[in-house]
Amino acid sequence: GAGVSQSPSNKVTEKGKDVELRCDPISGHTALYWYRQSLGQGLEFLIYFQGNSAPDKSGLPSDRFSAERTGGSVSTLTIQRTQQEDSAVYLCASSPQREETQYFGPGTRLLVL
Amino acid sequence: GEDVEQSLFLSVREGDSSVINCTYTDSSSTYLYWYKQEPGAGLQLLTYIFSNMDMKQDQRLTVLLNKKDKHLSLRIADTQTGDSAIYFCAGLNTGFQKLVFGTGTRLLVSP
Repeated sequence: GAGVSQSPSNKVTEKGKDVELRCDPISGHTALYWYRQSLGQGLEFLIYFQGNSAPDKSGLPSDRFSAERTGGSVSTLTIQRTQQEDSAVYLCASSPQREETQYFGPGTRLLVL
Repeated sequence: GEDVEQSLFLSVREGDSSVINCTYTDSSSTYLYWYKQEPGAGLQLLTYIFSNMDMKQDQRLTVLLNKKDKHLSLRIADTQTGDSAIYFCAGLNTGFQKLVFGTGTRLLVSP
């Protein structure tokens, strides 16, 4: 079946602009995760959604970052007033209810000029 | 917090075995994973092991877990050029549901 999809695959933006990154999880998966992969910091957890529970936002690096998940499916990660240090690959993953294996999408490569 | 270390680089010849190592500080991980990342791609799940196991074999892949030494390894038998990629180990504490990744090992397989 279809895997996790993310869009856009690449995004170039100017410092100070807002960006929205989209994730479509595997159909039927109730858990959704966002991670960031950057040269300096490696792979870092950002945020976790599980069903209708309040999300775990403990990994968001600043209040410029936010995410929502509509209808328990698609998620959008928003970065406001982007900075050059936000340049990274943003990876989304999903997993079936209460199963621990996370399946990753191809990522969105964000470059902030 | 959790600290997960891997050697940065490994070079092998096609047909040889590759062993990629991972050490971690937090022993509360319930599951330990190996992911593969090819250039420009996302993370592909290769295999995983429960923390109460010490070995798991899956075709060419063998995972060894030494909980006493907090050491995890991935052995790839008969390594092929298509195995060239970056390999990440990751731990999951089911109480927190977030993966903690190692620094990644770049495997280069030469013909």
